Amino acid sequence: VQLVESGGVVVQPGGSLRLSCAASGFTFRRYTMHWVRQTPGKGLEWVSFINRDGGTTYYTDSVKGRFTISRDNSKNSLFLQMSSLRTDDTALYYCAKEVDCGGDCFFFDSWGQGTPVTVSS
Amino acid sequence: EIVMTQSPATLSVSPGQRATLSCRASQSVSSKLAWYQQKPGQAPRLLIYGASTRATGIPARFSGSGSGTEFTLTISSLESEDFAVYYCQQYNKWPPLTFGGGTKVEIK
Repeated sequence: VQLVESGGVVVQPGGSLRLSCAASGFTFRRYTMHWVRQTPGKGLEWVSFINRDGGTTYYTDSVKGRFTISRDNSKNSLFLQMSSLRTDDTALYYCAKEVDCGGDCFFFDSWGQGTPVTVSS
Repeated sequence: EIVMTQSPATLSVSPGQRATLSCRASQSVSSKLAWYQQKPGQAPRLLIYGASTRATGIPARFSGSGSGTEFTLTISSLESEDFAVYYCQQYNKWPPLTFGGGTKVEIK
């Protein structure tokens, strides 16, 4: 299993950014996926969820209406479209693969290496 | 939102000794709790899920216990590679999924 994030850069407050996560080594379309971010001050923070076919998504309250999670199962890719970025969105963003247990296993057995997003003027 | 609180923030332990880490939930999460280990510059690694089930490849010196609101991760005999930060995560009631603030296990 390999997850490789990309797209993290320095962006000004109010700006937009699209993160990508390339998945390999497993049947991507069979797994629900998440974005999790990490900052030195706030630790690990779950950001967003998308189900296998992309029809169901969830977000943490602080990013609702600003971030959009999506996936392209034909390209084994996960995305996070980020807009109206704020300084407190500054973090290392991980994509994470949910464990497949056939039910409610909303925890993660594989993570990428993360891509850093810095929101600063 | 379920708040997860870990204690202590830092635990100083000598190699070969036992480490006991705590995680408390602000409301019951049943047994839907996972533990992760994170080393500097690395992503978190799943250790325990279902409060007490070791993930694939995790050594038997790692054990988890608890249910409801109180959980414990025990490392029976610390090895050099175990010095890291440990996080708990609840997955009983979400969104949002929530993590504890972490416990750093350092060499005494």
